[in-house]
Amino acid sequence: GNSVTQMEGPVTLSEEAFLTINCTYTATGYPSLFWYVQYPGEGLQLLLKATKADDKGSNKGFEATYRKETTSFHLEKGSVQVSDSAVYFCALSGGSSNTGKLIFGQGTTLQVKP
Amino acid sequence: KAGVTQTPRYLIKTRGQQVTLSCSPISGHRSVSWYQQTPGQGLQFLFEYFSETQRNKGNFPGRFSGRQFSNSRSEMNVSTLELGDSALYLCASSLSGVNQETQYFGPGTRLLVL
Repeated sequence: GNSVTQMEGPVTLSEEAFLTINCTYTATGYPSLFWYVQYPGEGLQLLLKATKADDKGSNKGFEATYRKETTSFHLEKGSVQVSDSAVYFCALSGGSSNTGKLIFGQGTTLQVKP
Repeated sequence: KAGVTQTPRYLIKTRGQQVTLSCSPISGHRSVSWYQQTPGQGLQFLFEYFSETQRNKGNFPGRFSGRQFSNSRSEMNVSTLELGDSALYLCASSLSGVNQETQYFGPGTRLLVL
């Protein structure tokens, strides 16, 4: 079945450092790919998404490109801030079916130190 | 537009009891999905409702059930609670619940089973 694998955390960076969180997926067909962020005590917020190969999603300085050849959707940010400290989830929906059911990776905790 | 709301935000129950959680989707959204989040299992899909019908179901025992009303509000019920049911229960809504659509999450209901 469909699955998502994220790099293990926690990831600890200094402010203004470059961020990469790796995400790879297994799916038949053409899934949509998402990055969600969860701040302490809150639900999930959509960070960005891409719905077809080679699409680039971007938001708040974060970017991710849908790479079908490597089945990846790595999250990047050029300069992180303390306020980016949160848990980041990579997810997919669809594939061989049209369902919007989300399958999540295990989450990566990011801590940014001043 | 108001976001997804969930009530109650916190619940403490004892083993063997049952619990009902409520979710009000974003106005105009007809699909409501439920997810369970635990430290050990991560985020797992419970079920999805659309137009008062359960359209998709995850791999959870029959103690977990749900329903959707004509105004798209949804409830989920867990009967005969077990310690392992302690989790954050997240509700998400989208326009029609298909692939490519963004699902918008509520803040969650944190359930503690003693």
